[in-house]
Amino acid sequence: GEDVEQSLFLSVREGDSSVINCTYTDSSSTYLYWYKQEPGAGLQLLTYIFSNMDMKQDQRLTVLLNKKDKHLSLRIADTQTGDSAIYFCAERRSGTYKYIFGTGTRLKVLA
Amino acid sequence: DTEVTQTPKHLVMGMTNKKSLKCEQHMGHRAMYWYKQKAKKPPELMFVYSYEKLSINESVPSRFSPECPNSSLLNLHLHALQPEDSALYLCASSTHRGGRPYEQYFGPGTRLTVT
Repeated sequence: GEDVEQSLFLSVREGDSSVINCTYTDSSSTYLYWYKQEPGAGLQLLTYIFSNMDMKQDQRLTVLLNKKDKHLSLRIADTQTGDSAIYFCAERRSGTYKYIFGTGTRLKVLA
Repeated sequence: DTEVTQTPKHLVMGMTNKKSLKCEQHMGHRAMYWYKQKAKKPPELMFVYSYEKLSINESVPSRFSPECPNSSLLNLHLHALQPEDSALYLCASSTHRGGRPYEQYFGPGTRLTVT
């Protein structure tokens, strides 16, 4: 289908790892992104991965990409209460300026 | 510095009003975007300007009129809006690599309420 799918909600305890999953639609998408949005704010670019990579690590964030299954994940190590937000994955369609956003996952971190 | 600024932060307008939203970036990005975001939903692309030319219009009603006066500024002119147009309007800009958009950065948004 046309939608980039994410699970709606994830709840974790402070200090645990969080894994947010995304299934995207276009196998030709060259860049895949993760954004964080806090209430009432714009989207903050967290990290991205190029389609010829399987994994990218950036401090507490690890992105895994499975191109065959069109599956993207974001792992947040040592999750903190400040990580509570909505997380969007996004794909940029090859040859265009169109960024297609996932449905968003609300992460709640319990103290 | 990866800052995109938007003004105003909040806007309340009647259905007969004309208003404008403004967006500015000084990062040298040559692509700028308008998105509309309803509560608990992902951003929906409205317009893209590339090198100050309109390159994408996602079939947006004509009551929304974009303008890109120069490479740093992007406006969205609003006229005769409907209550269902109430939303968070997000501006973004993106870097280029190899002639293609790359990292996209968002402003904080304008919360628009149409009464």
